Parts: sequence; structure tokens; C-alpha cells
Amino acid sequence: DIVMTQSPDSLAVSLGERVTINCKSSQSVLYSSDNKNYLAWYQRKPGQPPKLLIYWASTRQSGVPDRFSGSGSGTDFTLTISSLQAEDVAVYLCQQYYATPITFGQGTRLEIK
Amino acid sequence: EVQLVESGGGLVQPGGSLRLSCAASGFTFSTYWMHWFRQVPGKGLVWVSRINSDGSDNVYADSVKGRFTVSRDNAKNTLFLQMNSLRAEDTAVYYCARVDTSNWKVDEWGQGTLVTVSS
Repeated sequence: DIVMTQSPDSLAVSLGERVTINCKSSQSVLYSSDNKNYLAWYQRKPGQPPKLLIYWASTRQSGVPDRFSGSGSGTDFTLTISSLQAEDVAVYLCQQYYATPITFGQGTRLEIK
Repeated sequence: EVQLVESGGGLVQPGGSLRLSCAASGFTFSTYWMHWFRQVPGKGLVWVSRINSDGSDNVYADSVKGRFTVSRDNAKNTLFLQMNSLRAEDTAVYYCARVDTSNWKVDEWGQGTLVTVSS
């Protein structure tokens, strides 16, 4: 199984500041035939299911604010929130869908400082 | 609006069975692959099973292989998970989720249904 490791486990950031969350996979999730990274980012709020933010490592899901962006390739990926808003308080998860079983990072808890 | 609504969870004794349902609406269910995931409270999300659009192909996590069966009724827009020989470690919230096969993203999730295996 592909192991996904996120860092940090938690962070507290001031409103309006930039947020960076990292995700590392134990093997590459870049599919050579289409040059796509099969890596997604989700936002998880209490009592709610995951909400897809980013897929293919850097493609924003429809309706997701443009302050959310994803980058990286191969085994190292980053989710960036350009200017933290109060409604962004949540747990953020990375997920690889390159191989079965689909696997998730342990989550990064984001709070307001 | 896309909706996935799970049902069928509850309390069951070890060794017992449950059948979960996931009612889909707001999209053409028969053209989408579907997953089941689960999450033990306080732990991470874990993939359980996947079924293709016509139900002819399915895959399972090693932890449930031989005990769980995924199926679907495209005429009724419903996904199922038959869970047999349940163990305490199967206690979790179970989620169904949709796969967009144009890009393989898992883009829509249900709210989940709680399964508790306990005597």
C-alpha cells in the first residue's frame, strides 16, 4: 500500500496569512501514460464528509475558492491557502488514487491563531 | 444537486450481519463507479471496496475480503454493502462516495452511517 504522510499534524495561523500543508507519498503517484499526479486534497469539518478541494495535484474542484491551490509532483505535494479565512478552520487530508487501495494522509488540523 | 444518503447502520453483535444502502440522486448513477470507505472515530479514513458502473467488477480491502460484498441496483439508483461475520474492528462510520471516471477523482461523499459491532 502507498503510505501518505502529512506535515505538520497541526498548525495555527493568523487570519489573512498564508498556509502551507505538505504531503509525501511512499512511492510516486505520477501516471506516466497521461503525466498526471493522482493526488487529491480534501477539507474535513466536524460532522461532515470530506469535501474535494484539489485533484490531479493542482486542479481546483469546481466551486472551490481560488485561495486554495495545490502543487507538486511524484512523491511531494503541497496545499496552499493564500489568505486564511475563518471558514477554512478544518482538517485537511491528502489522498492518493493512483493505486488500490486508495490511501489518505493522517490529516493536518488547521486553526486560527 | 448530487446527493448520496447512507442507511442501514446500527448495533450488531460480533458474528452478525448488516446491509448498508447508499441512495443516489442528482446524477446518472449507472455511469459512475462507487466506493465504500470507513472511519473509526478518532482514526483515519480507510478504503473498503469499489464497484464499477455496471457491477461486473469489484475490489475489496484485505481486511474485509470474503466477509463483505458490494453490489448495486442501477434501476433503483442504490449501492449496497453486505457485511457478514462482523468483528469489533469493523465498528466505524461507513461512507459511500462517487468516482468521476473521466479523471478518477472521488468527488462526492455521503454523510455516513455508523456501524457498531458489540455484544
